[in-house]
Amino acid sequence: DGGITQSPKYLFRKEGQNVTLSCEQNLNHDAMYWYRQDPGQGLRLIYYSQIVNDFQKGDIAEGYSVSREKKESFPLTVTSAQKNPTAFYLCASSSQWGGTGNFYEQYFGPGTRLTVT
Amino acid sequence: GEDVEQSLFLSVREGDSSVINCTYTDSSSTYLYWYKQEPGAGLQLLTYIFSNMDMKQDQRLTVLLNKKDKHLSLRIADTQTGDSAIYFCAESKRPNQAGTALIFGKGTTLSVSS
Repeated sequence: DGGITQSPKYLFRKEGQNVTLSCEQNLNHDAMYWYRQDPGQGLRLIYYSQIVNDFQKGDIAEGYSVSREKKESFPLTVTSAQKNPTAFYLCASSSQWGGTGNFYEQYFGPGTRLTVT
Repeated sequence: GEDVEQSLFLSVREGDSSVINCTYTDSSSTYLYWYKQEPGAGLQLLTYIFSNMDMKQDQRLTVLLNKKDKHLSLRIADTQTGDSAIYFCAESKRPNQAGTALIFGKGTTLSVSS
């Protein structure tokens, strides 16, 4: 079955530690995205990648880093510089970078809930 | 601004119709989307509408678009308890601005009671 996997589902870390969240897709999609979801805040874009070896900052990139060495994988590192890292993190992918002119569907993974204490 | 606005909560009884409303800001958005998120899960595309359409119907779902007022609504007929979820409205962003490809609203939590 094609889809997006995120692991683990729940992650606990101590303050001051970096943590990497995994995102893998087997949909052969070029574009991948990381969102953060907080209660009552909706989804906010952290980073996105239109193609392998390229990625761009989203609206709230501070304290996060990503890499895109393979088409299938787009890991997100939450660094100790992120002031409020506890949140639900969602990874998504789409077959192309849609812009406004084209229809495209973003497919979402099941999410990782990160708790930092 | 670039905000997509939605009411945060809606409570209905099973069998009633639900109407979730959304206002968006970018008049150049070509497509507008409704995504559904069940508890503890990712988002799934529910339906979408092309901006030159006024209405789109898909089984129990009806999407209405008022482009002049930048108002989008999602009507769910014969609402079931399984429809309880968070519903997100989303619009596309202009390509000459960096950042978000889709702008999501904050989501409307639909609660269906039996």
